[in-house]
Amino acid sequence: AQKVTQAQTEISVVEKEDVTLDCVYETRDTTYYLFWYKQPPSGELVFLIRRNSFDEQNEISGRYSWNFQKSTSSFNFTITASQVVDSAVYFCALSLILTGGGNKLTFGTGTQLKVEL
Amino acid sequence: EPEVTQTPSHQVTQMGQEVILRCVPISNHLYFYWYRQILGQKVEFLVSFYNNEISEKSEIFDDQFSVERPDGSNFTLKIRSTKLEDSAMYFCASSEALRISGRAPYEQYFGPGTRLTVT
Repeated sequence: AQKVTQAQTEISVVEKEDVTLDCVYETRDTTYYLFWYKQPPSGELVFLIRRNSFDEQNEISGRYSWNFQKSTSSFNFTITASQVVDSAVYFCALSLILTGGGNKLTFGTGTQLKVEL
Repeated sequence: EPEVTQTPSHQVTQMGQEVILRCVPISNHLYFYWYRQILGQKVEFLVSFYNNEISEKSEIFDDQFSVERPDGSNFTLKIRSTKLEDSAMYFCASSEALRISGRAPYEQYFGPGTRLTVT
């Protein structure tokens, strides 16, 4: 069975602080994908990043960076110099490839990030 | 940039009524999905659909739910007799089967969601 754990329910930071959102996953599959999505107050799901299980390179995109460590089954997300606009719920998700093709996402419970002035 | 669209954005219905939620996936995508998010909770997989049939469904997706691709563009979720606990945000998503235009396979693109309120 697949499982994604986001132990941090809510994090509050002051603008310009760095913040790391944790994600730990469980799967028996050797091929899988990991995702991060942002859900702002308006409710839509905004794709941030996808990482496959064979690519452990860390990635940086502007103020965002991701640290994938297969040895600890973690895929953590860091926002550098946080801004008020970063306030949202962030979901980590694990993809199971379906037998017939396509995939199914298992989401974590999300971390509510509040960035204050 | 192509996107997944969903209508309506908000649907209010009375318990026991049937509702149909509509989605237009990205045109060259072959896999279609519905997810549900009860307010304040995580996003949960409901069903995946490929080649005009369900390829996977969750325990939530019971006999009250059905999906259909009535034409070449729409993908619908029907709830036959709504219950109070069906109140949630419903997200449609679609994905490609092959690596096209530099995009990775299996990346799901989500619509903006339909908020269903059952009273």
